[in-house]
Amino acid sequence: DGGITQSPKYLFRKEGQNVTLSCEQNLNHDAMYWYRQDPGQGLRLIYYSQIVNDFQKGDIAEGYSVSREKKESFPLTVTSAQKNPTAFYLCASSFRDPPPSQAIGYTFGSGTRLTVV
Amino acid sequence: LAKTTQPISMDSYEGQEVNITCSHNNIATNDYITWYQQFPSQGPRFIIQGYKTKVTNEVASLFIPADRKSSTLSLPRVSLSDTAVYYCLVVTYWGSARQLTFGSGTQLTVLP
Repeated sequence: DGGITQSPKYLFRKEGQNVTLSCEQNLNHDAMYWYRQDPGQGLRLIYYSQIVNDFQKGDIAEGYSVSREKKESFPLTVTSAQKNPTAFYLCASSFRDPPPSQAIGYTFGSGTRLTVV
Repeated sequence: LAKTTQPISMDSYEGQEVNITCSHNNIATNDYITWYQQFPSQGPRFIIQGYKTKVTNEVASLFIPADRKSSTLSLPRVSLSDTAVYYCLVVTYWGSARQLTFGSGTQLTVLP
């Protein structure tokens, strides 16, 4: 079955450490996205990528980095520069230019919950 | 990106029809209205999308008046498992990869 997989489901980070969250999709989607969600709040866009080897900053990119070396993969690194990294991280993907008859649905992964200890 | 406004929370009872209204006064001609559902500790799930009038699928109906400045998500005969956060988004269709802007959503609680 096609889908989008995030790993790990839970991640603990020590102060000053960099950690990388994995996101893989086999939906043949062109675009991929990273969102952050804090308790009781909506999702905020961190980074997005429309094609391989290209990505743009979202609303809260500071302290994060990404790469898009393969169409299927869009890993997110939470660096030590991110002052408050404890949050729920969601990866999503979509077609870039779907035909008019196709809904513009994003497919989300099941998330990674990052906690700083 | 068009901003949306929706109620913070709603309560309902099992078997009732639930209507969640969203306002999007500055919606543009090329924008679509999209609704997502999110359960705790899961990613949002696409429910329904529409441009105008009424759209119905196996999960919900979406009503959009002629001026398109608001929309109503209708969930028929809700069950306890419909308890979730529902997000209303306005998405620009034409152009490059779209960025979905999620507000705080509406927390729907279905009571027995």
